[in-house]
Amino acid sequence: AQTVTQSQPEMSVQEAETVTLSCTYDTSESDYYLFWYKQPPSRQMILVIRQEAYKQQNATENRFSVNFQKAAKSFSLKISDSQLGDAAMYFCAHSEGGADGLTFGKGTHLIIQP
Amino acid sequence: SAVISQKPSRDICQRGTSLTIQCQVDSQVTMMFWYRQQPGQSLTLIATANQGSEATYESGFVIDKFPISRPNLTFSTLTVSNMSPEDSSIYLCSVTLAGGFMDEQFFGPGTRLTVL
Repeated sequence: AQTVTQSQPEMSVQEAETVTLSCTYDTSESDYYLFWYKQPPSRQMILVIRQEAYKQQNATENRFSVNFQKAAKSFSLKISDSQLGDAAMYFCAHSEGGADGLTFGKGTHLIIQP
Repeated sequence: SAVISQKPSRDICQRGTSLTIQCQVDSQVTMMFWYRQQPGQSLTLIATANQGSEATYESGFVIDKFPISRPNLTFSTLTVSNMSPEDSSIYLCSVTLAGGFMDEQFFGPGTRLTVL
């Protein structure tokens, strides 16, 4: 069974600084997909970034980037130049693709200090 | 991208009753899923909604409690039956879009259910 672990229940960062959220996962598959979702107080789940396991290159979306370490089964999210609007719950998720649903971690509550 | 709507957005229900939640998408969809998010918790997959056939349920979820329909590609319903306070949660539908990545899921805004 797949598991996703986020060991940081809460993180705090000063506005304009950089923060890294940790995620580890367990799977027996060699091909799979990893995601970071953001859930602000509005509760809307917003896809932040997607990584294909067979691609060695780390995904990047503007201020958001990942550090994907396949051998270590680690998938951390780096947010650069943090903004007040980045404050939210961040969930790491895993999928084996296609018809499979997502397995989520417990989430990290990110606080942005002005 | 697509617009994914859910109805109702929230409801307060009495124990023992049932509530049907609708999920509608304005684009062509391949897969549809239903998730539950209990208060202060993460999301848990309830089932995959299959068009024209019975949904595929995850361990711990049964059809009698969470009947699901998907009469066409862009619409699905989830019913929460014989509700108890433990069913108080946010229920979210998600979809993968035709022409997009098969693994990339987009979520509706959720339905906040409170059972008294």
